[in-house]
Amino acid sequence: DVKVTQSSRYLVKRTGEKVFLECVQDMDHENMFWYRQDPGLGLRLIYFSYDVKMKEKGDIPEGYSVSREKKERFSLILESASTNQTSMYLCASRLGQDVTGELFFGEGSRLTVL
Amino acid sequence: GQNIDQPTEMTATEGAIVQINCTYQTSGFNGLFWYQQHAGEAPTFLSYNVLDGLEEKGRFSSFLSRSKGYSYLLLKELQMKDSASYLCAVIDSNYQLIWGAGTKLIIKP
Repeated sequence: DVKVTQSSRYLVKRTGEKVFLECVQDMDHENMFWYRQDPGLGLRLIYFSYDVKMKEKGDIPEGYSVSREKKERFSLILESASTNQTSMYLCASRLGQDVTGELFFGEGSRLTVL
Repeated sequence: GQNIDQPTEMTATEGAIVQINCTYQTSGFNGLFWYQQHAGEAPTFLSYNVLDGLEEKGRFSSFLSRSKGYSYLLLKELQMKDSASYLCAVIDSNYQLIWGAGTKLIIKP
């Protein structure tokens, strides 16, 4: 059974703190993605990666960075958290670069920044 | 701009049929997805349409009309477990995935 695991389901951080969100997939997928999900809005792509050590900016990369040192792991970093980064963060993976391929999502990390 | 419209919320009765609509205005079209997301859980793939017509998969069917920029997800014989949000997403001409805000479906006994 395929699985995308996000390390933290719920986090509460203070403004200015550095935040790490970890995502691991066990499917040997090449592509990994970080989205944020906010009420009333569609999923918005923050960053994605097509391969180890590769990263590409999505639609809303400001205030975020990512790391992909190993194929199975894709980390999202908030260098200095702000209240407007309070959101649900979803990690996803896909087998290859074919955009028509199915995305497999993690259960999400709900971040609250005070 | 690019836009995907879905109703925010719908209510239906257990055992009935419900149709969830999705209309899109995007720069080009290369396919449309439907995903299901139960509260607090990961979105999961339901269907992918790229050609016009109806595709049936058990109790769920998905329809696409490219000329009208329109799709719907049809759920038959509704069960309580179908209570979830349903997300529509379109692949545009740049092969970017554009997501709708989702439709929350509430099933009542």
